Amino acid sequence: EVQLVQSGGGLVQPGGSLRLSCAASGFTFNDYWMTWVRQAPGKGLEWLANINRDGSVINYVGSVKGRFTISRDNAKNSVYLQMNSLRVEDTAVYYCTRDDGSSLFFHWGQGTLATVSS
Amino acid sequence: EIVLTQSPGTLSLSPGERATLSCRASQSLSGTHLFWYQQKPGQTPRVLIYGASTRATGIPDRFSGSGSGTDFTLTISRLEPEDFAVYYCQQSTTFGGGTKVEIK
Repeated sequence: EVQLVQSGGGLVQPGGSLRLSCAASGFTFNDYWMTWVRQAPGKGLEWLANINRDGSVINYVGSVKGRFTISRDNAKNSVYLQMNSLRVEDTAVYYCTRDDGSSLFFHWGQGTLATVSS
Repeated sequence: EIVLTQSPGTLSLSPGERATLSCRASQSLSGTHLFWYQQKPGQTPRVLIYGASTRATGIPDRFSGSGSGTDFTLTISRLEPEDFAVYYCQQSTTFGGGTKVEIK
């Protein structure tokens, strides 16, 4: 069974940092691109960043470019999202997802809430 | 960058009625990469349709997807109580804003 188990998140002040982790199991992790998606409270889904199988290709949405960093450790079957210079508008539930081809996401982590507030 | 516009924002219907949800793209898409998700409160999104018209495994046949180019549609032929949820279309790195199907 495919599982994506997330950790990290929490409350941070504006300008602060958080690191999200996503541990994968039940599939060959290094066969898949991985993606982070977020959802602000009461809002829709926003694609944030993805990373290819060996970490050599990374893409970001404009609103997080230069502030967020996606990475992966295939030895640990994990993908990460380092979030720096956080803003109030980054408050959201963050999901890690497995890319099943062309950004089709059958499998999602449980989500982790990041709250940016003073 | 492609923009996906979903309409209506909210659809108020009764169980048993037909729901028609629209997803319009700002430029022509390959339907192969147009997906529909369902999200219920407190849950993660679930794939309903991929390739614009192919139902994912386990999705009831009351859900159907159609369309090409810039106009795509998700149809729920007869709403069941469990179908009241928010629906998103997606293509690559872009999600539509969602349509909430609520009980009238």
